[in-house]
Amino acid sequence: GENVEQHPSTLSVQEGDSAVIKCTYSDSASNYFPWYKQELGKRPQLIIDIRSNVGEKKDQRIAVTLNKTAKHFSLHITETQPEDSAVYFCASSGGGNNRLAFGKGNQVVVIP
Amino acid sequence: DGGITQSPKYLFRKEGQNVTLSCEQNLNHDAMYWYRQDPGQGLRLIYYSQIVNDFQKGDIAEGYSVSREKKESFPLTVTSAQKNPTAFYLCASSIQRGHTEAFFGQGTRLTVV
Repeated sequence: GENVEQHPSTLSVQEGDSAVIKCTYSDSASNYFPWYKQELGKRPQLIIDIRSNVGEKKDQRIAVTLNKTAKHFSLHITETQPEDSAVYFCASSGGGNNRLAFGKGNQVVVIP
Repeated sequence: DGGITQSPKYLFRKEGQNVTLSCEQNLNHDAMYWYRQDPGQGLRLIYYSQIVNDFQKGDIAEGYSVSREKKESFPLTVTSAQKNPTAFYLCASSIQRGHTEAFFGQGTRLTVV
């Protein structure tokens, strides 16, 4: 099945700086790549997603880039704020099993 | 109020007992999923269902069972065969299997005592 890996596992940034989280996936047939944010004690919620027919997508301070050749995609958060502190999960789907496979998550800590 | 609901929020079970976790959605979604969340392990897929009366094993299905008799319901049974059942369980649903946003329930924290 699909194997999704995230790096780094923990990321600390100063408020106002940018944060970048990278994910790699193994199934070249995957074509849907979402990012979820999970705040402490809450459910994961979608913050941005990208499909394989585009290389980049932006939504205000958040962007996702996709490199299908290298099989990796990245989450970029600019002008970080304390409320960005959370665990971020990447996922992929669209491979042979059509199931949504998640990475292990990144703990992002924004230091005021 | 539309959404996906899991119950109960906290559940305690004695060793050797089966327990069933409820997941209901009124979003008219075809696909439903069960994930297990452990610290440092991310979200691991237990079972998923793409349509009523059909379901497939995920990566860690051993010791679990599911049913999908109704579109809106996807209960998960944690059996006594599951060696380490204490965890946080998340249910999710999506319009189409895997290719659209998955909406999560609030989760059930199961503790074996």
